Amino acid sequence: DAGVIQSPRHEVTEMGQEVTLRCKPISGHNSLFWYRQTMMRGLELLIYFNNNVPIDDSGMPEDRFSAKMPNASFSTLKIQPSEPRDSAVYFCASSLIDTQYFGPGTRLTVL
Amino acid sequence: GIQVEQSPPDLILQEGANSTLRCNFSDSVNNLQWFHQNPWGQLINLFYIPSGTKQNGRLSATTVATERYSLLYISSSQTTDSGVYFCAGGGGSNYKLTFGKGTLLTVNP
Repeated sequence: DAGVIQSPRHEVTEMGQEVTLRCKPISGHNSLFWYRQTMMRGLELLIYFNNNVPIDDSGMPEDRFSAKMPNASFSTLKIQPSEPRDSAVYFCASSLIDTQYFGPGTRLTVL
Repeated sequence: GIQVEQSPPDLILQEGANSTLRCNFSDSVNNLQWFHQNPWGQLINLFYIPSGTKQNGRLSATTVATERYSLLYISSSQTTDSGVYFCAGGGGSNYKLTFGKGTLLTVNP
């Protein structure tokens, strides 16, 4: 079985540009999570979806961040406009009951 | 929210040595997971272990829920065990994991 798939793996953009990160969860999983990892703050949960519905977005840093899950096979995390402090590794994870499986991450650099 | 404290922060071993990593929680958890982040950044789930003991090859984990801690044992360490080990716990809302700062393990040949 394919694991969680994320694209792109690396993204370099300039401040002010829109960035879209993509995630395909493991087939059959009903929960999807977006995390951000930085040296300063470690791993933080940004948003959690269950059955394609956003349940908890309390970790989303501000209105510049938005996430969608239009169907069970696809989710996006969008940052508009991007800022240098958004530079981080963004992980998507999925689960069926409890164990969370992480994708390879997207390393975002905002210049 | 739940606070997660991991120790030690850094650990250097020679290949073949054994080690114990510890995770303490500030409150009761009903979802506890251990992860390994390899040097390439990939996060691998090692155990889901809200209580009891589990073993997987050279790795085992024990959680004592009543005392709010968990231990990860690595036996006969190999260089491929290097990386950062995270524990993460969640309380009432089972999905929400709070991650510790991790233990950076370096296994030298």
